[in-house]
Amino acid sequence: SQTIHQWPATLVQPVGSPLSLECTVEGTSNPNLYWYRQAAGRGLQLLFYSVGIGQISSEVPQNLSASRPQDRQFILSSKKLLLSDSGFYLCAWSGGTGGGNSPLHFGNGTRLTVT
Amino acid sequence: GDSVTQMEGPVTLSEEAFLTINCTYTATGYPSLFWYVQYPGEGLQLLLKATKADDKGSNKGFEATYRKETTSFHLEKGSVQVSDSAVYFCALSTTSGTYKYIFGTGTRLKVLA
Repeated sequence: SQTIHQWPATLVQPVGSPLSLECTVEGTSNPNLYWYRQAAGRGLQLLFYSVGIGQISSEVPQNLSASRPQDRQFILSSKKLLLSDSGFYLCAWSGGTGGGNSPLHFGNGTRLTVT
Repeated sequence: GDSVTQMEGPVTLSEEAFLTINCTYTATGYPSLFWYVQYPGEGLQLLLKATKADDKGSNKGFEATYRKETTSFHLEKGSVQVSDSAVYFCALSTTSGTYKYIFGTGTRLKVLA
């Protein structure tokens, strides 16, 4: 069966520090991968998605970046965190061959607090 | 662009009450529609889905019917339990180009014993 791992679960970082969140998927190949952010009491904002290694599409211009160095690995990064980067970050995958009929499967999320 | 609109929460119900959470969408083509549930401190879990008009998705007593004529996908449950307390998200997958998933803002449900 397929599983998705996301870490760390919680993170407290000072303003101006770097960020690296990692997500890996097991049990499937060539998934579509996604990063979402959920601000407190708000909906989900799509940040990045990827349909293959090295292919990253950005939805919102900001100081975050994403990379996909391996087929089932997706990394969210920042060189210098802002207070506004605080939130709940969710990684997700979908079966690429199923197209839009395939549901998204989410990790358990990372709670990031920038102080 | 594509979008999803959900009713504002929170929704507070007594146990065994009937639940409806409204969801409407705007999209080009024929998107697939989904309901997700999020428990405190966790990621989202797929609750049900429908991939074409008039499809009914169902799971754990929840149901939603894909209504193309009204562009709606309302979530219903005949008798809610305290354990159903969570945030519910309606979502669609876009049909143009790469598949992106657009979410509503979520509706918080609180069920009282």
